[in-house]
Amino acid sequence: EPEVTQTPSHQVTQMGQEVILRCVPISNHLYFYWYRQILGQKVEFLVSFYNNEISEKSEIFDDQFSVERPDGSNFTLKIRSTKLEDSAMYFCASGGVFTDTQYFGPGTRLTVL
Amino acid sequence: AQSVTQLDSHVSVSEGTPVLLRCNYSSSYSPSLFWYVQHPNKGLQLLLKYTSAATLVKGINGFEAEFKKSETSFHLTKPSAHMSDAAEYFCVVSDRTYKYIFGTGTRLKVLA
Repeated sequence: EPEVTQTPSHQVTQMGQEVILRCVPISNHLYFYWYRQILGQKVEFLVSFYNNEISEKSEIFDDQFSVERPDGSNFTLKIRSTKLEDSAMYFCASGGVFTDTQYFGPGTRLTVL
Repeated sequence: AQSVTQLDSHVSVSEGTPVLLRCNYSSSYSPSLFWYVQHPNKGLQLLLKYTSAATLVKGINGFEAEFKKSETSFHLTKPSAHMSDAAEYFCVVSDRTYKYIFGTGTRLKVLA
């Protein structure tokens, strides 16, 4: 069964460093999403992406964040200058056309020191 | 705006007894509602989805949920808990732009 994959599973970085979180969505999906979950808090929407552009973004998704689909398979989330409060589990999800069902990857745990 | 409230942060049941995980939603239109499960160190797995075709929705692993508009509820149930059901469960509503709004999660513990 097709699944969403994410790499790395864990990422430790120093404050101020750039990180790129990678996701491989399900191959025939056209909608892509990033969510995050700070420890002990609810899962929050960050951004949705369709047709090579951002469809919607939350207040969390400020200028430090960017997303890209650099080729036909990967979907990336970049944080330019990480802050301590960016420490969280980041989930990638993808969805097909004419459906609001999303399929999630296992997540990347980001720790900013 | 859409929102979901999961009424219990932790639920403990004995193996073989029924499971009830409660979820209330708020939506200005007929929503799509989901339950997802997250096992330790795993991704979020879709258990079931409500889209207005039927109020009682059957999902994987013996779970089901009933949509009650009058009560704005979408509680998740299972007749008999297994040890493998121990996990965190999320109630989710999808808004008109398809983004998900999550509840705070309910951690289910199954006692032997």
